[in-house]
Amino acid sequence: DAKTTQPTSMDCAEGRAANLPCNHSTISGNEYVYWYRQIHSQGPQYIIHGLKNNETNEMASLIITEDRKSSTLILPHATLRDTAVYYCIVRVNYGGSQGNLIFGKGTKLSVKP
Amino acid sequence: KAGVTQTPRYLIKTRGQQVTLSCSPISGHRSVSWYQQTPGQGLQFLFEYFSETQRNKGNFPGRFSGRQFSNSRSEMNVSTLELGDSALYLCASSLGGGFNSPLHFGNGTRLTVT
Repeated sequence: DAKTTQPTSMDCAEGRAANLPCNHSTISGNEYVYWYRQIHSQGPQYIIHGLKNNETNEMASLIITEDRKSSTLILPHATLRDTAVYYCIVRVNYGGSQGNLIFGKGTKLSVKP
Repeated sequence: KAGVTQTPRYLIKTRGQQVTLSCSPISGHRSVSWYQQTPGQGLQFLFEYFSETQRNKGNFPGRFSGRQFSNSRSEMNVSTLELGDSALYLCASSLGGGFNSPLHFGNGTRLTVT
């Protein structure tokens, strides 16, 4: 089972920041938080990941709380093309391998004009 | 850099047949994973290969198999197709360097079993 909890859906106005929350209260010390998004009929797109420090790249920022039990993905200026399902994933040590991704149901973000 | 390439993009097969799907990872990536996505079950892990060895396998029947070649390209095979095998099959590659190595997905092969 996925180790994360996300809201089922969220709306955001175009041009505003989209803040997507994720709870992962059972995360272990060496487990990374990953964010992906999926636009209909395409493969999941990697956005960002982090362990305990906040991270930023050209797509988004990832804010992880100090206790690591939750995180927030921030899209600073949402556009209509950011409408997608966003998955927050804790990458676990699965069967001794390098860690596979266990997807939950994600958050459907709708960016509205 | 080219992304993960999956072929074919669409496939229609009949129940009982078998099918082979192909995946070319990003250049330099040594790990290839396969996932199945259906509306009911979402994205589910099938198996992972690294340096031609299966490193892990999800909870799927033995009809689902895969392999990886020395150039890191991978194929997955489904034998004796069932209607429930209709799905989007996704391949992902990574450097294979552990939890800090992101997986990058292709756009998948949509398999329809009639």
